[in-house]
Amino acid sequence: KAGVTQTPRYLIKTRGQQVTLSCSPISGHRSVSWYQQTPGQGLQFLFEYFSETQRNKGNFPGRFSGRQFSNSRSEMNVSTLELGDSALYLCASSLMGTSYEQYFGPGTRLTVT
Amino acid sequence: AQSVTQLDSQVPVFEEAPVELRCNYSSSVSVYLFWYVQYPNQGLQLLLKYLSGSTLVKGINGFEAEFNKSQTSFHLRKPSVHISDTAEYFCAVSDRSGGTASKLTFGTGTRLQVTL
Repeated sequence: KAGVTQTPRYLIKTRGQQVTLSCSPISGHRSVSWYQQTPGQGLQFLFEYFSETQRNKGNFPGRFSGRQFSNSRSEMNVSTLELGDSALYLCASSLMGTSYEQYFGPGTRLTVT
Repeated sequence: AQSVTQLDSQVPVFEEAPVELRCNYSSSVSVYLFWYVQYPNQGLQLLLKYLSGSTLVKGINGFEAEFNKSQTSFHLRKPSVHISDTAEYFCAVSDRSGGTASKLTFGTGTRLQVTL
């Protein structure tokens, strides 16, 4: 069974631009969560989608948004990029609405210059 | 709200020696507890989890952890480490009330460095 895949793996953007990251969960998984990992702030929860609905949201500005499609694939978007948005963005999927085990993808490394 | 404290940012240890990585948490509600491992250039992999029941939980790769409610701790242990255990280890908690562990609060991580 294929794991969680994230595309692209690496991305370089300029301050002020916007970016879209993609996450394909494990087949059959309906919940997708996103995390930001930086050396200064560590791992922080962004948001979670289940059955195309945002179920949980972390403390990030409105520039960070996401969505989930009917096939459970998810995208996150960051508008008006700032230097501080440089990070590893991790996606995790889990099987059902009530699940205690998340499977993480390899992440997308975003660099903002 | 919850918070997680990993007291050691780095733990150097010789191969075949035992190791303990410490984790303390703070929460006003009951939580689920997890340990994840991250190898270089990879995502996170679940080592073990505590949901309920026995306070000693066993995970993959020979790791185990003990939940201590009175001390709000969830320390990770391995009796004999290998070079391949060199990685970053993260302790995490999740609020029980939501019935799901999809919103994890992580500690800052402990870098385990195993040498010969």
